[in-house]
Amino acid sequence: AQTVTQSQPEMSVQEAETVTLSCTYDTSESDYYLFWYKQPPSRQMILVIRQEAYKQQNATENRFSVNFQKAAKSFSLKISDSQLGDAAMYFCAYRSAMSKGNKLVFGAGTILRVKS
Amino acid sequence: KAGVTQTPRYLIKTRGQQVTLSCSPISGHRSVSWYQQTPGQGLQFLFEYFSETQRNKGNFPGRFSGRQFSNSRSEMNVSTLELGDSALYLCASSLGTGWDNEQFFGPGTRLTVL
Repeated sequence: AQTVTQSQPEMSVQEAETVTLSCTYDTSESDYYLFWYKQPPSRQMILVIRQEAYKQQNATENRFSVNFQKAAKSFSLKISDSQLGDAAMYFCAYRSAMSKGNKLVFGAGTILRVKS
Repeated sequence: KAGVTQTPRYLIKTRGQQVTLSCSPISGHRSVSWYQQTPGQGLQFLFEYFSETQRNKGNFPGRFSGRQFSNSRSEMNVSTLELGDSALYLCASSLGTGWDNEQFFGPGTRLTVL
């Protein structure tokens, strides 16, 4: 079974600074997908960024980018120019490419606090 | 386009009772997944439905069940409630099951079991 580990329960960043959230995962599969989700205090989870394991190029979405290291099974999220609205719980998630369906395996989450 | 809606938003039940939660996906979405979120266990996959068929099931006891209707709306039922069932129950919908079909989450139903 796949597992996802987020070793940072909480992180803080100053507004306009850069922060990196860590995520490692364990799988025996060679093809899979990785995601970062954001859950603001209002509770509605939204997709931040996604990465296909077969793509070496790191995904980027505006101020959000990932550092995907397949051999190390590491998938960190970098948030540049942090804004107050970035404060939320961030979840790293894994999805198998082998099995049918949309099942996501989530990490425990990292609470990100943004200081003004 | 309306987002994923879940009803009710909050629910208080007592041990031994049963509960039904509802999820209305985004119009046109045929896949609905359910997750349980607790402080101790985090987010755990319950089950997924696609075109009224259960596609995937997580490691939860048989007290947890679900179904999907022809309009893609989904319900999950928990029978014989236990204190440990207190959680935020999230549903997510997507067009299909391709990996690039983004999953959209609802606001959740907060269930408290007393």
